[in-house]
Amino acid sequence: RKEVEQDPGPFNVPEGATVAFNCTYSNSASQSFFWYRQDCRKEPKLLMSVYSSGNEDGRFTAQLNRASQYISLLIRDSKLSDSATYLCVVPSHAGKSTFGDGTTLTVKP
Amino acid sequence: SQTIHQWPATLVQPVGSPLSLECTVEGTSNPNLYWYRQAAGRGLQLLFYSVGIGQISSEVPQNLSASRPQDRQFILSSKKLLLSDSGFYLCAWSHGSGELFFGEGSRLTVL
Repeated sequence: RKEVEQDPGPFNVPEGATVAFNCTYSNSASQSFFWYRQDCRKEPKLLMSVYSSGNEDGRFTAQLNRASQYISLLIRDSKLSDSATYLCVVPSHAGKSTFGDGTTLTVKP
Repeated sequence: SQTIHQWPATLVQPVGSPLSLECTVEGTSNPNLYWYRQAAGRGLQLLFYSVGIGQISSEVPQNLSASRPQDRQFILSSKKLLLSDSGFYLCAWSHGSGELFFGEGSRLTVL
């Protein structure tokens, strides 16, 4: 089993839709989690961090379920500009981080 | 504010040639430094990380090496490139909180 697993998608949704991605992790000791956004042929950039049960920032909500060891990212009212790959990241010991393979989202007009 | 610079942005190299990618961080001291590689359509694979000058940990056996000659400088090298070394190489820094800050990446094509 991979340390971090994501549904690769792709997710193709119309503008205005609500879409959710899930990410499961294997290390039950992990305390913090991150969602990064990566545009095509660009570097990943931090979207949201999750330290407790969840975090909300505008149209984006990240939730953590420690019992089931998964985190989710919910995007409401999708915009064309939300089209990207979303990476789930789980830090481990010694400052290292494990990345999921990413979920690709395409928002269509 | 902190910035991270990585170069070159793009390079095309023949099999068997050497490689040197350089990364520098500004605006912070004693950062953790990382080299990641991303194959097409895949997630990021950690290659090397460093918690201080001269301290390098290798995550994946391969023909690549890394060095940290100065606190905020991280170099990725190879003596002889393989076709399988092609990919998108990303340098990153952090202060151990888990949040990573990436350079703009170096896209390597080995022919």
